[in-house]
Amino acid sequence: EVQLVQSGAEVEKPGESLKISCKGSGYSFSNYWIGWVRQMPGKGLEWMGLIYPGDSNTRYSPSFQGQVTISADKSISTAYLQWSSLKASDTAMYYCARRGSANSGDYWGQGTLVTVSS
Amino acid sequence: DIQMTQSPSSLSASIGDRVTITCRASQSITSYLNWYQQKPGKAPKLLIYAASSLQSGVPSRFSGSGSGTEFTLTISSLQPEDFATYYCQQSYSTPYIFGQGTKLDI
Repeated sequence: EVQLVQSGAEVEKPGESLKISCKGSGYSFSNYWIGWVRQMPGKGLEWMGLIYPGDSNTRYSPSFQGQVTISADKSISTAYLQWSSLKASDTAMYYCARRGSANSGDYWGQGTLVTVSS
Repeated sequence: DIQMTQSPSSLSASIGDRVTITCRASQSITSYLNWYQQKPGKAPKLLIYAASSLQSGVPSRFSGSGSGTEFTLTISSLQPEDFATYYCQQSYSTPYIFGQGTKLDI
């Protein structure tokens, strides 16, 4: 069974750094792109970027380029989303998703809620 | 970037109704169009990929059509569990932009 399991909720202060994770199982992790999606409170879905764990090839949305870093460690089947300096506006639910047929998000993690508040 | 315009933004319907949601792309995306359902507090769920292919396990009352720039999601007979928010997404080229969502309620 394909599963993506994300790390738990985080509460951080502005200016702090953070790295959240997404661990895949039940499939060949290296061979499928993993994407990240943001959902701010009460808002819609925003596509952030994706990574191919096999070679760490990464593509970012222009809206998120330079704001976050997407990485992966194929040896432990885990993708990451990280911030070097959080802002209050980063408060959101973050989802990872596997890129499947026709580049769709066929399997999703349960989400990681990030709260940034002083 | 390819922009996606979804309509309506909200929709009220009743059990048993036939419902259609429309998504328009700012340029041709051939058939690289996906539909997701999201319920409160849950991750999105893939319903339709490649414009008209039903994801495994999704009830057949859901169907998708269209190509190029105009696409539709149809629910043939609304069930209680279908009340949710629906999003389209283009996956023709990155960034894979989502539509703004359609909230379907009773």
